[in-house]
Parts: sequence; structure tokens; C-alpha cells
Amino acid sequence: GAGVSQSPRYKVAKRGQDVALRCDPISGHVSLFWYQQALGQGPEFLTYFQNEAQLDKSGLPSDRFFAERPEGSVSTLKIQRTQQEDSAVYLCASSLAEGGAEAFFGQGTRLTVV
Amino acid sequence: AQKVTQAQTEISVVEKEDVTLDCVYETRDTTYYLFWYKQPPSGELVFLIRRNSFDEQNEISGRYSWNFQKSTSSFNFTITASQVVDSAVYFCALTPYNFNKFYFGSGTKLNVKP
Repeated sequence: GAGVSQSPRYKVAKRGQDVALRCDPISGHVSLFWYQQALGQGPEFLTYFQNEAQLDKSGLPSDRFFAERPEGSVSTLKIQRTQQEDSAVYLCASSLAEGGAEAFFGQGTRLTVV
Repeated sequence: AQKVTQAQTEISVVEKEDVTLDCVYETRDTTYYLFWYKQPPSGELVFLIRRNSFDEQNEISGRYSWNFQKSTSSFNFTITASQVVDSAVYFCALTPYNFNKFYFGSGTKLNVKP
């Protein structure tokens, strides 16, 4: 597709359940980012990939959060043993270059932990 | 430390009014990029403009204009003759020059009433 695609769009998880969120970036985009957006807030950085290398994971809130991009294209954000505070919209973005380039965002996955 | 402040949480205007969204940023970097994104109810962040720290020229694109003032660390966004379709949340963001780690403000929700 032409844009960044994320799936599922909505996910309801029971507390303690593991979830996996998928991101299909724009073809050829080197950089891929995950952001977490709480209700009424701006997106906050979680992690960054350059191709398959995870260069920055400083924003991951705990070791329950894990992201991968094994072939340098599709990325998965996994959250283990979900908790209510994990409820948020998870946004994926991709860009052609490392810095200063326009980042294209997906529509996000809205995760609700009950 | 990088920080973006959007002091206006929500603004309501009547169609055809002009409206300015404020953005103030903090950074110790001498080179950086500033962005504005629009987030309609669908959730996707839509790129509006990118500015690098060396380019203080104001920019106009149709009904949109941006005023970058390095002296006051501000990057304000004006919509002229607002339309109902402009209703959305608008985010201002800052990135270091060499890395697309966005620091977003908390957003300004714009309601344009017919």
C-alpha cells in the first residue's frame, strides 16, 4: 500500500494477556518508529529501528515491551502480561532517512486492557 | 533536554475565522527540525510542515501559514478562513537534526463550527 499500515486497528486484551501489534511501513523506508499515545496526550517515543537494527529502545516503559523488525521491513511490537496502564494508541511511523525527514504515521492500534 | 509546549488545550472558532495555534519549544541543540502534524478523528498523523533551525522564513501554503521565531523559540501555526474540515488535533514536534525521534507537544484540539 501507499501508506503505513497497522493491524489490528483495535485490540481489547484481558489483563495479563500478551498482545502483538503489527506495522507495515512504506516500502523502502529505512527508519521505523513506535510511539505510544495516551488519551489526550501527544505521542511519546518508544523505540527506533534503522533497517533491522534496533538503535534506540530508551522509551520502552518496561521489560514487558519488546519490538522487532527481523527483515528490515515489517515490525512487531509485543507487550507481555498487559496491564491497564498499557491502554493507549500505539502509532508506527516510517521515514526514508534517519534525521529531518518527513515521517509517515499509520492510523495506530488502539489497545484497551480490561 | 527537548520539550515542546502547546499551551492551548482546545480552541473553538466559527467557520471563516482566522485561528493561531501556539507552539513553544526548548532544546540545547543548535540544529534541529520543527514539525506540525494534524490528527483527524481517524487517528492518523498527517504531516503539514517541516522547518529546520536555520530557516526562519515564514511559510504560507494556501490557508496555512507558519511563523518561526528562533529568538522566542516559537513556531506558531495560523489557519486563515477556517473551515469545518480543519477540525482536528494539531501537534507541534521537535526532532534533533540527525535523528527522527519526535518530541511532541500535548496537542491543541481545534473545533471549527459552521
